[in-house]
Amino acid sequence: QVRLVASGGGVVQPGRSLRLSCAASGFSFYRHGMHWVRQAPGKGLEWLTFLSENGKTQYYADSLEGRFIASRDNSWKIVYLQMNSLRVDDTAVYFCAKDSSPRGPTYLESWGAQGTLVAVSS
Amino acid sequence: SFILTQTPSVSVAPGTTARITCGEDSIGTKSVHWYQHKPGQAPILVIYSDVDRPSGIPERFSGSKSGNTATLTISRVEAGDEADYYCQVCDDSRTHVVFGGGTKLTVL
Repeated sequence: QVRLVASGGGVVQPGRSLRLSCAASGFSFYRHGMHWVRQAPGKGLEWLTFLSENGKTQYYADSLEGRFIASRDNSWKIVYLQMNSLRVDDTAVYFCAKDSSPRGPTYLESWGAQGTLVAVSS
Repeated sequence: SFILTQTPSVSVAPGTTARITCGEDSIGTKSVHWYQHKPGQAPILVIYSDVDRPSGIPERFSGSKSGNTATLTISRVEAGDEADYYCQVCDDSRTHVVFGGGTKLTVL
């Protein structure tokens, strides 16, 4: 059974950094690309980043302007999202999700339950 | 980048058919995927590659595509189908994922 658990969210001041984690189990982690997606309050889903199965290929939404960096540790089956220079409009629930493919984004076949809430506020 | 256009809301009575559309000029050349998202829960993939249904998804959910529009059809709608539904594609270079704005399905 696929299980994805995102953590690391919290309240943070504008301009600060935060690192999210997503622990995976129940599938061959090293065979799948991974995504981060967020949902701001009252808004729709926004794709943020894709990370290939070995972490060597990364794609990011243009809107992030290089502030976020994704990485993964296949030994521990964890994917990370380092978020820098946080802004108020980064406030959202952040989800991690598993892609059906190892190397390029296709579709998000499993998602972490609930996600983790990041609130950026002074 | 491009924009996937979804009607913001659709309302249907239980037992009837709901059709949720996703429009974009080049959608005919892309694989379209659909997600169901209920408040406080993880999104669930309900249709992938235009027409395929993951295991565990009821046959009442089906996908189709014609011209510039992809459609998610939910037959014999139930109260439990009330949720937000999102379409999704990848761009031509397969470096970006794009979601539609979402459609809120209300079961009357």
